[in-house]
Parts: sequence; structure tokens; C-alpha cells
Amino acid sequence: DAGVIQSPRHEVTEMGQEVTLRCKPISGHNSLFWYRQTMMRGLELLIYFNNNVPIDDSGMPEDRFSAKMPNASFSTLKIQPSEPRDSAVYFCASSLAEHNEQFFGPGTRLTVL
Amino acid sequence: QKEVEQNSGPLSVPEGAIASLNCTYSDRVSQSFFWYRQYSGKSPELIMSIYSNGDKEDGRFTAQLNKASQYVSLLIRDSQPSDSATYLCAVNTGNQFYFGTGTSLTVIP
Repeated sequence: DAGVIQSPRHEVTEMGQEVTLRCKPISGHNSLFWYRQTMMRGLELLIYFNNNVPIDDSGMPEDRFSAKMPNASFSTLKIQPSEPRDSAVYFCASSLAEHNEQFFGPGTRLTVL
Repeated sequence: QKEVEQNSGPLSVPEGAIASLNCTYSDRVSQSFFWYRQYSGKSPELIMSIYSNGDKEDGRFTAQLNKASQYVSLLIRDSQPSDSATYLCAVNTGNQFYFGTGTSLTVIP
């Protein structure tokens, strides 16, 4: 299995621009998680989906962040407009079910100038 | 109080020694527990999962769970320089999945 796939691996953008991060979960996994990791705050859960339905988005920082999962094999995390404080590594993870072990993608390193 | 607490370290042990990493959690109804290893610049990698009280061994790794004390630990026997990484404890409460901030481990050759 290819594991969780994320793109792009690196993104550098200017403040105010729209950023879209993409994730393909492991085939057969029913739950998908978006995390943000910074030195200051560690690993933070932003949102997770179960069977393509958003279950908990309480970690989404503000309305500038949105996430979708149109089908079982694809999810996006969008930031519009982006701000320098959004600079972080964003991880996508998937699991067979929402309470099982999670497997992480390689992450997207986002830098907002 | 944070849901999952870990000593941030850094923890340094000589090569060949036993490294002991500890984690406490606040929600008594927590159901499953995980240890992840994260190398610098890489993503977290699952090492062990444990669901019931006691010890679970996998190679050089042993996870220990004590639900009464709300405590989970990871022992690494015969530590190698390649074990140098940050170790994240994760807890599933049934409603939410929480990660600790991680313990940085350095194994000195």
C-alpha cells in the first residue's frame, strides 16, 4: 500500500493568498484526520471525518479554515486568506475506524510570508 | 490540565541502556493508547498500541499501561542511536484523540 499521500510537500505563499492542501487516505480506511504541528503548540487536531462526514471540527482555528471530503479517497484543507501565523506543518492521517491506530502522511510544510 | 502529559525532556541515555518514557492522561474512560516516534522533519510513525492493563512487548519495545493510575509508559531496551527521536503518546477517549507534546530522546553512542 502506498500509505497516506499528501500534496504539495512544501508550499510558500504570501499573506492573503488562498492555500489548498490535499490528502489521499490509505485505501479502505474510513476515518481521516487533519493535524497542524508547530514547535509552540505541538500536534493539534483540526478536524476529522468518518465515512466522508465531518465529525468534529472544533479544532479548526477560525472561519478562514475549511475542509472537505467529497469521496473516500480525497480530502482538502483550505486556508483563505492565509496569514503568517498559519505557517506550520500540516499532517493528514487515516485509520480503519475513528478509534483505531492512525497512520500519517508525510505532511505539507506551509510557509506564509 | 492537558488531556495527555509528557515530560518534554530532553532525555539522554547511553547506547545499550534502557530508555523509559512516561505519559499520564486525565480522562478515566480512555480506551486505547498509542506510542508514536517522530524523527526531525518527518511524520509521526506508529510504534505500539495497547488497550488493556499490563505489558505489551514488541521487539525492543515494551508498552506498559496502568489504567488505575492513568499512566502509560514505553520502555526501549538496548537503546540505539537510531532511536534518537521525539516520542509522542496518544490517547483515545472514545470521543477524541489526543496527542501529548512529546519527549525528545537522545541515545549517546
